Amino acid sequence: QQPVQSPQAVILREGEDAVINCSSSKALYSVHWYRQKHGEAPVFLMILLKGGEQKGHDKISASFNEKKQQSSLYLTASQLSYSGTYFCGTEEVEGSQGNLIFGKGTKLSVKP
Amino acid sequence: DSGVTQTPKHLITATGQRVTLRCSPRSGDLSVYWYQQSLDQGLQFLIQYYNGEERAKGNILERFSAQQFPDLHSELNLSSLELGDSALYFCASSVGFEQFFGPGTRLTVL
Repeated sequence: QQPVQSPQAVILREGEDAVINCSSSKALYSVHWYRQKHGEAPVFLMILLKGGEQKGHDKISASFNEKKQQSSLYLTASQLSYSGTYFCGTEEVEGSQGNLIFGKGTKLSVKP
Repeated sequence: DSGVTQTPKHLITATGQRVTLRCSPRSGDLSVYWYQQSLDQGLQFLIQYYNGEERAKGNILERFSAQQFPDLHSELNLSSLELGDSALYFCASSVGFEQFFGPGTRLTVL
């Protein structure tokens, strides 16, 4: 079941904060977050495992609410380099291990 | 540069044909993943191999097959190609949870 990402797109000024949400209708084992810049390959940001563990990567952090099957990606004090499309990939408890299902992506544009 | 290499970069072929995409993982990475990215379907996981064995399968069509060789490089074979198979095909490798993506092969089916 494809997870739903929101918002679909967001425009920020440098230094502003943003939250990207990823929601599934299925019980999840893990949530993976990736960023992809135009014309480039996706880059792994972080993984959230069942247990609600919060992980961070510089000024980018994420949370995972396994009861609600939701994950949120928090970008604080955004930089120009944060621009790109963010994808969440979910691994379902009842799916085959390693089978990631990706959302449609959230396009983030950071302006000076 | 992720350390993952993919060849060729671009491939243009006709419907009904068969092509092979090649991926060399980062040194020491045992897992290889294949993904398809298109405007219609977004990013889709196809298949994962670990040390030569198939580990996980996603939305991979029966016309597609993959294998991982003893030297850990992997090939994705696409046959009876259709217009809808035109897409960017990524390979990724990992040793733990973090996946490192290659630059991709852009396949155009005419």
